[in-house]
Amino acid sequence: DIQMTQSPSSLSASVGDSLTITCRASQSISTYLNWYQQKPGKAPNLLIYAASNLQSGVPSRFSGSGSGTDFTLTISSLQPEDFATYYCQQSYSASTWTFGQGTKVEV
Amino acid sequence: QVTLKESGPVLVKPTETLTLTCTVSGFSLTNPRLGVSWIRQPPGRALEWLAHIFANDEKSYNTSLKSRLTVSKDTSKSQVVLSMANVGPVDTATYFCARMSTGTYRSFDYWGQGTLVTVSS
Repeated sequence: DIQMTQSPSSLSASVGDSLTITCRASQSISTYLNWYQQKPGKAPNLLIYAASNLQSGVPSRFSGSGSGTDFTLTISSLQPEDFATYYCQQSYSASTWTFGQGTKVEV
Repeated sequence: QVTLKESGPVLVKPTETLTLTCTVSGFSLTNPRLGVSWIRQPPGRALEWLAHIFANDEKSYNTSLKSRLTVSKDTSKSQVVLSMANVGPVDTATYFCARMSTGTYRSFDYWGQGTLVTVSS
């Protein structure tokens, strides 16, 4: 199975900051990488698919990049509602999928 | 409007079989570009993909849990059912169903609200 490793596991930031979260796959997954945001007590919400495509309705301060094994999620000008946990997910495999362990963004 | 909603027991005893139902609306379970997965999240921990059912009724399972999982669907009721056999305390989690779309690179574009299942005697 493809393993996904996120870093850091948590980070502290302030409103207005720019931050980057990294996700690494255990093998090349081309651009089959998706990012989700999850707030406490809620279901995850799709932010970015195919490494760099912004899901409809997601603010443009979110961006993604990468291909192969290394990917990044960048949030420019952090807003109060962005404090949450972020997960990457590989969809390279045709029938089994895995998530990273999550990155918690805290004040 | 696409919605998914999980239902099932709140409390299950160890060694029992857990059965959860996902009722969907706003899309068809026979649309070849769509499928439904089950994903769980133990309290305070990460998401774990469990199982998936495709429009053509093919199924796939998490390698580690495959022997305990069964997924099925009833298209007439717009429902997807997950069964997990021989549960234990480690299976305590919030269970989500989510729609997967090939149009967004097999991402999960819609999720249910989740249902918390506790395994305890």
